[in-house]
Amino acid sequence: GQNIDQPTEMTATEGAIVQINCTYQTSGFNGLFWYQQHAGEAPTFLSYNVLDGLEEKGRFSSFLSRSKGYSYLLLKELQMKDSASYLCAVRPTGGGNKLTFGTGTQLKVEL
Amino acid sequence: NAGVTQTPKFQVLKTGQSMTLQCAQDMNHEYMSWYRQDPGMGLRLIHYSVGAGITDQGEVPNGYNVSRSTTEDFPLRLLSAAPSQTSVYFCATTERLQEFFGPGTRLTVL
Repeated sequence: GQNIDQPTEMTATEGAIVQINCTYQTSGFNGLFWYQQHAGEAPTFLSYNVLDGLEEKGRFSSFLSRSKGYSYLLLKELQMKDSASYLCAVRPTGGGNKLTFGTGTQLKVEL
Repeated sequence: NAGVTQTPKFQVLKTGQSMTLQCAQDMNHEYMSWYRQDPGMGLRLIHYSVGAGITDQGEVPNGYNVSRSTTEDFPLRLLSAAPSQTSVYFCATTERLQEFFGPGTRLTVL
């Protein structure tokens, strides 16, 4: 089966950098995904890692270490609109397109 | 393109009632799925479909039925609603490994 852990809540200051960690244990691995979800809205895709290393997309970057079962999402130059829940999800091998989600990290950006 | 649409946005049911949550997409994606989201539980997969005529169970299928007669539509049926089915339901399509979620249906079962 799959087990995904991420912190429940984080608080950061506008303009700062924040790192949201995710650790996972899976029976097989075929990619790790990050989604952003604002309160009352649907999740939206942020990033995807299948190989080790850093993927950068504007202010957001995601890192993966498959040997450690570890990923992080890095948000730079934080803005108030970045206040949201950030969901880590894993796609196991042999599961087709199925995703297993963590419980999400609620990020609050303060002035 | 509307993307993924869901109706209704909100619904209140009494225990034992049945209803269908509608999901439609206009992106011609083969893979569709239904999730429920509960506080502290994350998104959990209920049922999924890899194409018209093919459906399969996810992590929490009990109490729900699905069908996929067309590529566009993937309705979720609650056979006899229970308070434990109070949740937010998201329909999604998958294309090139990316999930596209509908806006969700907020269901309360009294």
